[in-house]
Amino acid sequence: NAGVTQTPKFQVLKTGQSMTLQCAQDMNHEYMSWYRQDPGMGLRLIHYSVGAGITDQGEVPNGYNVSRSTTEDFPLRLLSAAPSQTSVYFCASSLAWDRAYGYTFGSGTRLTVV
Amino acid sequence: AQSVTQLDSQVPVFEEAPVELRCNYSSSVSVYLFWYVQYPNQGLQLLLKYLSGSTLVESINGFEAEFNKSQTSFHLRKPSVHISDTAEYFCAVKTSYDKVIFGPGTSLSVIP
Repeated sequence: NAGVTQTPKFQVLKTGQSMTLQCAQDMNHEYMSWYRQDPGMGLRLIHYSVGAGITDQGEVPNGYNVSRSTTEDFPLRLLSAAPSQTSVYFCASSLAWDRAYGYTFGSGTRLTVV
Repeated sequence: AQSVTQLDSQVPVFEEAPVELRCNYSSSVSVYLFWYVQYPNQGLQLLLKYLSGSTLVESINGFEAEFNKSQTSFHLRKPSVHISDTAEYFCAVKTSYDKVIFGPGTSLSVIP
């Protein structure tokens, strides 16, 4: 019973590099989402998906891409890393997005862009 | 649009003292309300939630929250805190067919 698994836990990138943050869940959750957490700003939604093949933008989508080819996986791609993308990234999933199920969060990826 | 306000960014409290973490929300429709806890260097965990029915909801570790519709509040309380309660606490609101909105968080520090 792994829940939500995020890899890597830590990453340092140089400005302009690209990378993919991985997120996988084994709970057959329909809804998956990516948040970034910055000091004093709480959690801000980047992208979300209500099911395989369906994605949409959240509050701060610029500079990030997502895809959802399977129910289990929801990778987040940084196209050209910038120092402003230094943050802690969390993946969260829920059984269904239109009901009041709580979210299950991964343990996070701490990204530093230099 | 929904929004969530957590009035206190930091709350220091002595061990075994009571604590209240405040949360107010704005929404024009019925809401579901949540409290999440984040321990250092971890992801968020669901602490408790209000869906409907009794306005007082409890968690397994002694926290409780009361939904007050007239004041649009969902304050979190604990009568006696422990060192292990030191964490960041996030209030969140959701309506049907919409995304969860998180508040900015309150850092609870329990002082021995």
